[in-house]
Amino acid sequence: SSELTQPPSVSVSPGQTARITCSGDASPKKYTYWYQQKSGQAPVLIIYEDIKRPSGIPGRFSGSTSGTVATLIISGAQEDDEAQYYCYSTDGTGYHRVFGGGTRLTVL
Amino acid sequence: QVQLQVSGPELVRSLETLSLTCVVSGYPISSGYYWGWIRQSPGRGPEWLGTIYHRGTTFYNPSLKSRVTISADTSKNQLSLKMTFMTAADTAIYYCARDGYTYDSSGYHYFIDLWGQGTLVTVSS
Repeated sequence: SSELTQPPSVSVSPGQTARITCSGDASPKKYTYWYQQKSGQAPVLIIYEDIKRPSGIPGRFSGSTSGTVATLIISGAQEDDEAQYYCYSTDGTGYHRVFGGGTRLTVL
Repeated sequence: QVQLQVSGPELVRSLETLSLTCVVSGYPISSGYYWGWIRQSPGRGPEWLGTIYHRGTTFYNPSLKSRVTISADTSKNQLSLKMTFMTAADTAIYYCARDGYTYDSSGYHYFIDLWGQGTLVTVSS
């Protein structure tokens, strides 16, 4: 089965750009999705199909991909963006779902 | 508005079997979508347990496949999860969830688009 690797933590100052990476090994490569989770809440989808943003998600959230690495980009990070971020994808079969280990974003 | 409500024991004894139920309201599961279970241990990321299609096709996390059974009762519009031989490592919040999907030239792409509220299950020795 495939694995998704994320850095445990990322720190930025308010207004700076935060980048969170997700490295995967699925073959063929599948789309990456990103979830934001705040304390005591269920995760919320913020990016789908690598680069698309669901309605209601602020424009400062975007995604990119290069080879086997997907990146979540938060432009002009705000204190309210402090949360855990998880990438998600499927394995090469498309049937088995897998989450990354998560990245704690600190904005201060 | 589709809602997922999980019910079941908050405490399970070591080596016993966990049984959870997820009642789906606002959408008949017989109409489609994939539905599944995800858990999250304290301080860790979500872990996909398995998924079921309303017609009964199931997919399981390979690392847990021998212990997990997911079923659907379309007459009650609910899903069930059974996990055997529970240990302290299985202490987690258990979520019921729905797979959204998109389709393009490379096929169907599934992702979690709706989460239930989750229930904390603690395994005691």
